[in-house]
Amino acid sequence: DTGVSQDPRHKITKRGQNVTFRCDPISEHNRLYWYRQTLGQGPEFLTYFQNEVQLEKSRLLSDRFSAERPKGSFSTLEIQRTEQGDSAMYLCASRQPGPGANEQFFGPGTRLTVL
Amino acid sequence: ILNVEQSPQSLHVQEGDSTNFTCSFPSSNFYALHWYRWETAKSPEALFVMTLNGDEKKKGRISATLNTKEGYSYLYIKGSQPEDSATYLCASRSGGGADGLTFGKGTHLIIQP
Repeated sequence: DTGVSQDPRHKITKRGQNVTFRCDPISEHNRLYWYRQTLGQGPEFLTYFQNEVQLEKSRLLSDRFSAERPKGSFSTLEIQRTEQGDSAMYLCASRQPGPGANEQFFGPGTRLTVL
Repeated sequence: ILNVEQSPQSLHVQEGDSTNFTCSFPSSNFYALHWYRWETAKSPEALFVMTLNGDEKKKGRISATLNTKEGYSYLYIKGSQPEDSATYLCASRSGGGADGLTFGKGTHLIIQP
C-alpha cells in the first residue's frame, strides 16, 4: 500500500497522560500536514512541514502539542498532559512538491479518546 | 477568518436519483477549492481540485463547478448508487503562502436502496 499511513488507528488514554501518533506520508511527498476533527466539525488545520522544516502552526496547536519530522520522512504528533477536549480524530496528509494546487492525500486518521 | 459553509448538513436520496449540494467560501484571497469524499473507517478520498472561475470537473457520475466571484461550488452526483453514501467535504485554500486547508463541516449523504 503506497498511501498515507497512520499509527495507531485508535488510542484510549486517561486524562493527564502523554500520547504520540505517527504518520508515514507517500514517499515522494515533501509536504506533510496535520489536521484535527472534533465531533460535528470539519477537519481543522494544525500544522505542516516542508521536508523537516515546520513552516506553519495554527493557533489551535497549544503548548501541549508538538510535531516533528526529523528526517523529512515520517512525522510524529505528541500531546502532553491530555485533556478531555483533546478527544478527536487526528488526520495526516501529504502532497507532492512544487507549486500549484496539488491535492493533499489523507491517511485514515488516529482516533483519540481521553477518559 | 476564512469560513467554509456546506449545505445541506445531511441528505437522504433514493437510489437512481440525482442530487447536488453546495459549498460556499469567502471569495477574497481565494486560491483553490478541494472536494473530498470520506467513507466511515477509510481515508478521505480526493475528488477534485479547482482553481479558476468557471472550472468544471468530472469523475464518472460525479461533477463539480466553481464560481470564485461569488464564492460557491456545487457537487453533483448523477444516478446515485449505494456506494455513493459518504460524507462529502469541501475545503478552501487561500493565497498568500498559507498552505493549510479550511474545511466545511461536510454533507452526509445516505443513498436509500
